[in-house]
Amino acid sequence: QVQLQESGPRLVQPSQTLSLNCTVSGGSITSGSYYWNWLRQPAGRGLEWIGRIDTSGSTNYNPSLKSRVTISLEKSKNQFSLKLGSVTAADTAVYYCARGRSSGWYPDPWGQGTLVTVSS
Amino acid sequence: EVVLTQSPDFQSVTPKEKITITCRASQSIGSSLHWYQQKSGQSPKLLIKFASQSFSGVPSRFSGSGSGTDFTLTINSLEAEDAATYYCHQSGVLPLTFGGGTKVEIK
Repeated sequence: QVQLQESGPRLVQPSQTLSLNCTVSGGSITSGSYYWNWLRQPAGRGLEWIGRIDTSGSTNYNPSLKSRVTISLEKSKNQFSLKLGSVTAADTAVYYCARGRSSGWYPDPWGQGTLVTVSS
Repeated sequence: EVVLTQSPDFQSVTPKEKITITCRASQSIGSSLHWYQQKSGQSPKLLIKFASQSFSGVPSRFSGSGSGTDFTLTINSLEAEDAATYYCHQSGVLPLTFGGGTKVEIK
């Protein structure tokens, strides 16, 4: 079964770019009809969808973050990545990657999440 | 965007009780409403998809209903392991959105 694992720096300086990777195991990132999503959850708060990419590389982003977000596929590594620019303390959160089916879009399964703190 | 409003925000219940969580969408989303369970320190786990379809491996005490704008998650005969925060999620319209969550505490 497919498993996802987030990785990347846990501490990012304000105004810099947050970069995370999601490694997919148990299946190819380019096979099947799937979307590959990024979501986040500030401590003690609810879930926010950041955006997604499909197997052809087409992306959709949350309008609230669109100007700062880039999601891309790293096919040779069976990974997809997130870049969030110009970060502030408000971007401190647990970041999750998750797979979504083309029929339904709901994210499942999810990675375990990684806490990224924006601080100097 | 579609705003999902969950109620209640918090519920404290005793084992074997039945609870009902509601989720109201700001516009019709058909049956594109899903329910997740998130335990402390864990990632969300899918319970119910498309309003009423139980996800594989989910205990039968969890059930969902509704369509359009009003949806319900019911947990029958609550068990201690059901202590968690429950979120509704809509996938009918981009951007994908989530409800604010309902924290369920077991007395």
